[in-house]
Amino acid sequence: QQQVKQSPQSLIVQKGGISIINCAYENTAFDYFPWYQQFPGKGPALLIAIRPDVSEKKEGRFTISFNKSAKQFSLHIMDSQPGDSATYFCAASNGGNNRKLIWGLGTSLAVNP
Amino acid sequence: NAGVTQTPKFQVLKTGQSMTLQCAQDMNHEYMSWYRQDPGMGLRLIHYSVGAGITDQGEVPNGYNVSRSTTEDFPLRLLSAAPSQTSVYFCASSLAQGGGYTFGSGTRLTVV
Repeated sequence: QQQVKQSPQSLIVQKGGISIINCAYENTAFDYFPWYQQFPGKGPALLIAIRPDVSEKKEGRFTISFNKSAKQFSLHIMDSQPGDSATYFCAASNGGNNRKLIWGLGTSLAVNP
Repeated sequence: NAGVTQTPKFQVLKTGQSMTLQCAQDMNHEYMSWYRQDPGMGLRLIHYSVGAGITDQGEVPNGYNVSRSTTEDFPLRLLSAAPSQTSVYFCASSLAQGGGYTFGSGTRLTVV
């Protein structure tokens, strides 16, 4: 059972546009929500993360919006650039001693020049 | 500052062969884990470790063994390779108190 549902599966955006990727979770015990970025042939790299005590976190052009009541969080990429073309994964965990991440299935983003 | 180092980068095995994928990190991270990545299936956890001498199974552990004798190394052993194990394998590590996972660059394994 997929505990973190990510959409869309793929996304095409024009340069300068806003890319939006959404994730929904089921387990209300989750308390850590990271986003990872993966370029072809590379491992995923942490992009930005949020905890449920805040509704938004911004780092440069990347923003996480978090809606605890709806159990949803999303990644917004402002002024999208061709260099942002990658696969993006959302994830969630409930802390604790093992901190296993539950992953979304990924979104392939293509930013057209 | 090597981070997480995986070897080999590519490997072709015949069905039934065994091999070990190596993973080493130099960041003194307590947590280490192995994932496999297949098209359309995201990242699936195979095994993980919360410290030297402690390992546990993830969601797809069958056919794989791990050990953690040191903080730095976390090898993944394929006991008897099967075509279903054709995949890209990633090793990742993190600090116990958080800060995200650092991934290696992956091993692309093909079993024929």
